[in-house]
Amino acid sequence: GQNIDQPTEMTATEGAIVQINCTYQTSGFNGLFWYQQHAGEAPTFLSYNVLDGLEEKGRFSSFLSRSKGYSYLLLKELQMKDSASYLCAVKDSNYQLIWGAGTKLIIKP
Amino acid sequence: IAGITQAPTSQILAAGRRMTLRCTQDMRHNAMYWYRQDLGLGLRLIHYSNTAGTTGKGEVPDGYSVSRANTDDFPLTLASAVPSQTSVYFCASSGTGDTGELFFGEGSRLTVL
Repeated sequence: GQNIDQPTEMTATEGAIVQINCTYQTSGFNGLFWYQQHAGEAPTFLSYNVLDGLEEKGRFSSFLSRSKGYSYLLLKELQMKDSASYLCAVKDSNYQLIWGAGTKLIIKP
Repeated sequence: IAGITQAPTSQILAAGRRMTLRCTQDMRHNAMYWYRQDLGLGLRLIHYSNTAGTTGKGEVPDGYSVSRANTDDFPLTLASAVPSQTSVYFCASSGTGDTGELFFGEGSRLTVL
């Protein structure tokens, strides 16, 4: 079956750096997405990786290794507003999105 | 710019009742989706539509139906609601850009008693 694994919850300190990992086993691969979802709100797009390597966008970076079925989202200079759930999703061979359950990130002052 | 609008925002419904969740987008996106989100689970696809006039079944379609009469509207109907359909429902759309990222509505919280 198809599977996306990410930690359920992580805690980090304001101003620090945190890395959220995502491993996947899917039938085919056509891109990996990271979304941010604040409590009670809709998911919003953060990043997209389809080739191996690092994509940087401001304080957020996303890395992909297709051979390892692995991605991570790196958040730098953490702010309280970064407290949210981070969802990893992979587009499979049928171009359908398979979603992880999300990682709840708690930022402490 | 409204993006995607869902209604109602929240609803409490008696089991056995019929309910339609409305979804409208103003981005002229061809593809639209309905997901449900439950605690501890990833978003699960209920139904999708790649273009007006066509629909398809997702991962958890039983008990739900959709229609796509035009590009903008994609309503989701629960013919006879059951308590297991208590969830948060998100409508989403995607365009034809490089990433095909999804744009989500604000969600409809449905409680079936």
